[in-house]
Amino acid sequence: NAGVTQTPKFQVLKTGQSMTLQCAQDMNHNSMYWYRQDPGMGLRLIYYSASEGTTDKGEVPNGYNVSRLNKREFSLRLESAAPSQTSVYFCASSEWVENSNQPQHFGDGTRLSIL
Amino acid sequence: KQEVTQIPAALSVPEGENLVLNCSFTDSAIYNLQWFRQDPGKGLTSLLLIQSSQREQTSGRLNASLDKSSGRSTLYIAASQPGDSATYLCAVFGNEKLTFGTGTRLTIIP
Repeated sequence: NAGVTQTPKFQVLKTGQSMTLQCAQDMNHNSMYWYRQDPGMGLRLIYYSASEGTTDKGEVPNGYNVSRLNKREFSLRLESAAPSQTSVYFCASSEWVENSNQPQHFGDGTRLSIL
Repeated sequence: KQEVTQIPAALSVPEGENLVLNCSFTDSAIYNLQWFRQDPGKGLTSLLLIQSSQREQTSGRLNASLDKSSGRSTLYIAASQPGDSATYLCAVFGNEKLTFGTGTRLTIIP
């Protein structure tokens, strides 16, 4: 019972490098989300995808791009990494019901350091 | 803009005691509220979800209440155990997304 799987678990980048964080869910959920978690800031939404083929900006989208590759997979790309993007990144998924949501299921996170 | 506050930021209690964690939010136009648990180095696990039309939800030793009009929720943990030690986050759902509080780090002292 995998749930939400994120890869990689850890990554160190140099400023200016690019990388893609991968996320896959096996629960047939419609909606997927990318968050970042920083000390004292809580979790903040970067991008979300309410359904396959759609993506929308969250609270802190600058410096990131996303792709909803299919219903299972939702990737987050950093085109030119900056030290301010050092954070723990979480992917989540949930079933979407009109004007509501069901409990979100989270992956274990990707710990990203930008030097 | 929705803001979610959790006070205190950290709490330590002896094993066996009952305890209450608090959550407040500024915009009462929410669809539901969730309580999550986060263990160190791990993701979030959903504990309870309360729809806006509900007043409370219970799961085992956990009971969550919601007073939407006053913008408050509480998570009650009965007969606390060392395994309850974790960070507890509340989050409100509105405008298609969750807004999280910064959490309360709970330590149960054996």
